Amino acid sequence: QVQLQESGPGLVKPSETLSLTCTVSGGSISSYYWSWIRQPAGKGLEWIGRIYTSGSTNYNPSLKSRVTMSVDTSKNQFSLKLSSVTAADTAVYYCATEGLGWFDPWGQGTLVTVSS
Amino acid sequence: QSALTQPASVSGSPGQSITISCTGTSSDVGGYNYVSWYQQHPGKAPKLMIYDVSNRPSGVSNRFSGSKSGNTASLTISGLQAEDEADYYCSSYTSSSTQKFGGGTKLTVL
Repeated sequence: QVQLQESGPGLVKPSETLSLTCTVSGGSISSYYWSWIRQPAGKGLEWIGRIYTSGSTNYNPSLKSRVTMSVDTSKNQFSLKLSSVTAADTAVYYCATEGLGWFDPWGQGTLVTVSS
Repeated sequence: QSALTQPASVSGSPGQSITISCTGTSSDVGGYNYVSWYQQHPGKAPKLMIYDVSNRPSGVSNRFSGSKSGNTASLTISGLQAEDEADYYCSSYTSSSTQKFGGGTKLTVL
């Protein structure tokens, strides 16, 4: 079955750009939507955005000005960039396959801390 | 975008049934049958429990059921078991082609 795995730096300095990659295994990345979701410690889930394998994207309006997503079908990977980060962006970041209104499966999540 | 509204906590005894509500607007929950529910145990990734309001993925117990009336969706868990103790989140597609989550509900099995 399809499995997802997030990777990237666990520590990012304030004002810099957070970069994460999600590697899809056990299936093709083609013809699906792929999403990023985050969860600050002790808080709820926040949808960041989605990308289709064609490269089309939709972003959370509250993050839109700072988010860029991309997909590399040759590597079965998709990526997230979040610019101008602050401590408020400290969270566990998940990647997930998105259907219409649902997310499954999810990656295990990766903690990103924003600190100098 | 504002989160969907869920109760912060619910509780029940083993064997009982509980219901968690998820309230949105006509632009999300009320406008589409694309509501899903997730179970999250501490330190784990969320797990899809219900999709398209009332459908269960393969492998999810039939003790979990979903419904919707107007702008409010509900998750019902019958025959509560200790292993059901977790955080539960709803999610809905929106008229802006985005997704939004509820604030989460902590279920305690007494």
